[in-house]
Amino acid sequence: GENVEQHPSTLSVQEGDSAVIKCTYSDSASNYFPWYKQELGKRPQLIIDIRSNVGEKKDQRIAVTLNKTAKHFSLHITETQPEDSAVYFCAASGDLREKLTFGTGTRLTIIP
Amino acid sequence: GAGVSQTPSNKVTEKGKYVELRCDPISGHTALYWYRQSLGQGPEFLIYFQGTGAADDSGLPNDRFFAVRPEGSVSTLKIQRTERGDSAVYLCASSPTGQGRAFFGQGTRLTVV
Repeated sequence: GENVEQHPSTLSVQEGDSAVIKCTYSDSASNYFPWYKQELGKRPQLIIDIRSNVGEKKDQRIAVTLNKTAKHFSLHITETQPEDSAVYFCAASGDLREKLTFGTGTRLTIIP
Repeated sequence: GAGVSQTPSNKVTEKGKYVELRCDPISGHTALYWYRQSLGQGPEFLIYFQGTGAADDSGLPNDRFFAVRPEGSVSTLKIQRTERGDSAVYLCASSPTGQGRAFFGQGTRLTVV
């Protein structure tokens, strides 16, 4: 089955700087890669996603890049703000396998 | 409703008891998923429904776990003979077609004592 690895497990960034979280996946058939943000005690919230026919996608301060050959994808947050502090999860799924396989999460702390 | 709704938000039960967790998906979403999230971990897949049928139940850990979605909307996750290791947050998600964007409920925190 699919295996998703996520790094780093914790990340502290000065407010205003950029943060990058990286994930690798094992199943070359995976074609959908979402990122979720989860604040303490709350539901995971979809913040951005990308499909395998696209190499990069951007939404304001958030961007995701995908390298299908290397089977890795990354989340980039620019101009970080205190409200960006949360746990971020990457995930992957394939065409015929609808379930999402999640990474282990990255706890992002923005230092004011 | 506006989002995925799960009830109860918290459930404390004694070891060996039976519990039911309910999920009300976003109206019109045909795909419904159950995940389990332990502390400090990412959600782990349990079961996926497309309409009324379970399209993939490969994540159910054992036969104590069962889920139904009889009318293709509300789903119930049922756990028999609960064990302390079942303690976790049980998350439900729904998706318009099953191909992609899944939206999560707030979860049910199950504690088995």
